[in-house]
Amino acid sequence: EAGVVQSPRYKIIEKKQPVAFWCNPISGHNTLYWYLQNLGQGPELLIRYENEEAVDDSQLPKDRFSAERLKGVDSTLKIQPAELGDSAVYLCASSPGLAGSTDTQYFGPGTRLTVL
Amino acid sequence: TQLLEQSPQFLSIQEGENLTVYCNSSSVFSSLQWYRQEPGEGPVLLVTVVTGGEVKKLKRLTFQFGDARKDSSLHITAAQPGDTGLYLCAGVKVNDYKLSFGAGTTVTVRA
Repeated sequence: EAGVVQSPRYKIIEKKQPVAFWCNPISGHNTLYWYLQNLGQGPELLIRYENEEAVDDSQLPKDRFSAERLKGVDSTLKIQPAELGDSAVYLCASSPGLAGSTDTQYFGPGTRLTVL
Repeated sequence: TQLLEQSPQFLSIQEGENLTVYCNSSSVFSSLQWYRQEPGEGPVLLVTVVTGGEVKKLKRLTFQFGDARKDSSLHITAAQPGDTGLYLCAGVKVNDYKLSFGAGTTVTVRA
């Protein structure tokens, strides 16, 4: 079974440029998460989708970040415009059912963003 | 302040030695998970504990959930270079769904 796929794996852009990350979750997984991981820190949740609905985007900086999961399968996270402080690893994860205390999340390899 | 505090932040030991990583909080969790993350990869789940006082073993790794469900520990016996990585604890608070991560412990096992 294929795992969570993310692309690109690495992205270098100049500040004020737009950037987009793509995630394809494990087939059949209803819930999809986007996390941000700064160097030396654990992942922090940006947004959670249950099917195509964004059920928790409270931590997403909506002035510059946007996300979509139009058909309830793959998802795109966008930053426009990017700032120096956005340099981090962006992780996508998926889980089989609806979010719960023991629902296992499977993580992709992440996209490492560097903003110059 | 982080919901989950991990200690130590860094740990470097010789192959064959034992190590323990701690994860502490003032909050009560319905479940707590341990992940290992290698450079350039996403975190991979090692174990989930849900019952206070629970102990789970995975080969040379022993995980314990505190009686009050506020803390956990990971003990590795006879560490090997393949155990090198970032160990993250993550928990779901009671009556919540959100998984909150600690900052992680970077473990280096020298051959």
